[in-house]
Amino acid sequence: DGGITQSPKYLFRKEGQNVTLSCEQNLNHDAMYWYRQDPGQGLRLIYYSQIVNDFQKGDIAEGYSVSREKKESFPLTVTSAQKNPTAFYLCASSRGLVDTGELFFGEGSRLTVL
Amino acid sequence: AQTVTQSQPEMSVQEAETVTLSCTYDTSESDYYLFWYKQPPSRQMILVIRQEAYKQQNATENRFSVNFQKAAKSFSLKISDSQLGDAAMYFCAYRSRPYSGGGADGLTFGKGTHLIIQP
Repeated sequence: DGGITQSPKYLFRKEGQNVTLSCEQNLNHDAMYWYRQDPGQGLRLIYYSQIVNDFQKGDIAEGYSVSREKKESFPLTVTSAQKNPTAFYLCASSRGLVDTGELFFGEGSRLTVL
Repeated sequence: AQTVTQSQPEMSVQEAETVTLSCTYDTSESDYYLFWYKQPPSRQMILVIRQEAYKQQNATENRFSVNFQKAAKSFSLKISDSQLGDAAMYFCAYRSRPYSGGGADGLTFGKGTHLIIQP
């Protein structure tokens, strides 16, 4: 079945450590996105990529980094510079040039900083 | 930048009744998409309904329908015959038409409405 796979589902990290969240899609979508969700907030855009080897900052990119070396993969690194990294992270994709607008989401990764 | 406002943090409805969730947005664009997403306790984001701004006809998907008022920048979701499985967070979202040479891509979300279904 086609879809978006995020791993791990739950992750714990100590302060000062970098951690990488994985996002893989087999939908052949061109565009991919990372969102952060905090309690009582909507989803906020961290980074997005509309094509391989290119990505753009979203609204809250500070303390995060991404890469897009393959169409299928868009990993997110939460660096030690991110002041409040405990949150729920959602990866999404969309078709790209032939786009009907909606984003398709993975099941999310819950990051907790100890 | 676009903004999306959901003024109802929580709504409650009796099973089998109808409920309407409100959403307003602010934009200077004329061509865009609007969406309602559902997030159940599993936290998976599920698309409920989409509306293209240039289409005047309100979108409908089974028990879900929208009231899209472009001039008023309003996009409410009506759920008819509410079922226990409809209990979830509901998010209204906006997206500029992609690859149109405009600003940033991606969805802009409201803060959500928690829908409770009373049996």
